[in-house]
Amino acid sequence: DAGITQSPRHKVTETGTPVTLRCHQTENHRYMYWYRQDPGHGLRLIHYSYGVKDTDKGEVSDGYSVSRSKTEDFLLTLESATSSQTSVYFCAISESGLTSTDTQYFGPGTRLTVL
Amino acid sequence: GQSLEQPSEVTAVEGAIVQINCTYQTSGFYGLSWYQQHDGGAPTFLSYNALDGLEETGRFSSFLSRSDSYGYLLLQELQMKDSASYFCAVRSSNTGKLIFGQGTTLQVKP
Repeated sequence: DAGITQSPRHKVTETGTPVTLRCHQTENHRYMYWYRQDPGHGLRLIHYSYGVKDTDKGEVSDGYSVSRSKTEDFLLTLESATSSQTSVYFCAISESGLTSTDTQYFGPGTRLTVL
Repeated sequence: GQSLEQPSEVTAVEGAIVQINCTYQTSGFYGLSWYQQHDGGAPTFLSYNALDGLEETGRFSSFLSRSDSYGYLLLQELQMKDSASYFCAVRSSNTGKLIFGQGTTLQVKP
């Protein structure tokens, strides 16, 4: 299994509070991704990173920001959490993000509930 | 725009064969991937097709027809542990991003 951990694994917070989720990898992969998974929507890309301090938006980036100061860590921040951000968040990594044979490896997920 | 369509649920019996279809629309196309996700778990990579035809990996096979923008995952000799959600995903050659379908929940019955 790829060495990917996410913390926290579960979090309950209140509307309007800031929340930061952490993804940590030990594979030294260049690309890292944040997805959210909701019933009926599959996996939707929030943000991704193609290197230290290099990030880009995915399809559902509003309300989220990311940072990557080290190869191994990719942080997802909800500046002011809303109930619509209640979801399961998955981090993923890959060696080469834009090549055709790239495979993504997923972390165990973080279940976030915003009350 | 980009979109993928796959059935939401499929049910089959142990030992049978099941096919999960996926049709896609994307701006540019690199290939079609399949991921498996057990309830409460992380998605895991199953297979990838870049060219037309059938790719076989043990009990699982995946097929692609680029002219029809269509692919399928074929699971043979179904086992109870195959009960899971299966996602098709396409990579856009324009953006490089992986777009996932909504997933097909497979229930294998004894």
